[in-house]
Order: sequence, then C-alpha cells, then structure tokens
Amino acid sequence: NAGVTQTPKFRILKIGQSMTLQCAQDMNHNYMYWYRQDPGMGLKLIYYSVGAGITDKGEVPNGYNVSRSTTEDFPLRLELAAPSQTSVYFCASTRGDSGNTIYFGEGSWLTVV
Amino acid sequence: AQSVAQPEDQVNVAEGNPLTVKCTYSVSGNPYLFWYVQYPNRGLQFLLKYITGDNLVKGSYGFEAEFNKSQTSFHLKKPSALVSDSALYFCAVRVRVNFNKFYFGSGTKLNVKP
Repeated sequence: NAGVTQTPKFRILKIGQSMTLQCAQDMNHNYMYWYRQDPGMGLKLIYYSVGAGITDKGEVPNGYNVSRSTTEDFPLRLELAAPSQTSVYFCASTRGDSGNTIYFGEGSWLTVV
Repeated sequence: AQSVAQPEDQVNVAEGNPLTVKCTYSVSGNPYLFWYVQYPNRGLQFLLKYITGDNLVKGSYGFEAEFNKSQTSFHLKKPSALVSDSALYFCAVRVRVNFNKFYFGSGTKLNVKP
C-alpha cells in the first residue's frame, strides 16, 4: 500500500549543483503535481501533469523542470541550485474525476548552501 | 482568479473545548472542497471533502465541516479538541471547470493546550 513515494527524504546541495527528486505513485492516477512548502508557509504549485507526455507550469516553475514518460513516475529536476530553492518538496497525485482527493508523498527536505 | 483564504494563521483552544478553523473561497463555478492536516515533518493527509448534498460533512478523527454557499465558506469544526489535534490544517478547493488544479489556503496552525 505504497501510495506516493518520494526520494530522497533529505538532501544538501551546493549552489550551482543539479539534482532530481524522484516521485512514483502506484494508484494509476493520471494527474500528478509538485509543490514546494517554505517554512511556515502554504503550498505553491511548481509543475503538474495530466498524463504521460503532458506537463504544464504552475505558480513557481523557474529553476525547475519535469518530465512524465510513464503514468507512475514524475521526477522534478533542479538545475543550478540556488539558496532560494531551499524548501520542502511534495509530490502528489489524483485521478481525473473531479471529486477525487489528492494524495501526498511524505516530502523531500532540500537545503542549498 | 481562484483563491482560498484561511484568515487565521493560528488558532489556540483548550483541550475539551470546541474548535473552528475558518476557510473561505473565491472560485468560478461550483467547487469541490477539502480539508487536509499536516503533522510535523510529514505530508498532507486527507480529512474530509464536500462534493454535493448535505452541507455538513463528517470526516476522520471526529472532524466535520460545514459548507455555506452564500458565504462561500467551508469551516472545519470539532466538538471537543484533543491535544493530539495540534497540527497544521489546510483548506483546498478543486474547481469543476478546471479539474487539473487544487488551490490551497495558506494553512492554519492549531494549538490545543491541556
């Protein structure tokens, strides 16, 4: 009963480095999302996908990239990490039916130094 | 533009007292409404949702929420608070004209004191 799985849980990056946050869901959900949550703040949508091969920008896409080659996986790539990208990142998924809830992963804590 | 507002950053209540966490929304069309809870260092967990029908919906851990269409509100309530209810609560809306996105409020920190 895995749900939404994110890796890694914690990571420290140096300024200018790049990395990929992995996200996988086993619920056959077509919609997937990446959010960031800064300390004491709410959620901001980075990117989302409505199905394999289809992605779109959210509120704060700059400095990030995504791909969706399969229904299950939705990795988030950080290019040229900056201190402003220090945050907690949440992956989430849902089915396309409008009444369905959204399910979240446990989060990935990223610090850029 | 779609938006969700949680006007209180923090709510303090004594254990055993009733609690209310407020949420109002502004969306095009009829919304689907949700409440989520976040415990420290964890992801968001689903509490309850309103889709249609009875304005009072019941969810997990004794929580309930009342949908008020005229006031565009969806306040979260519990008759008797527990210390273990202390957490961060998020209201969210999913609009029927744009099923792709969920819009989240900024969150309300609930502190329940013994």
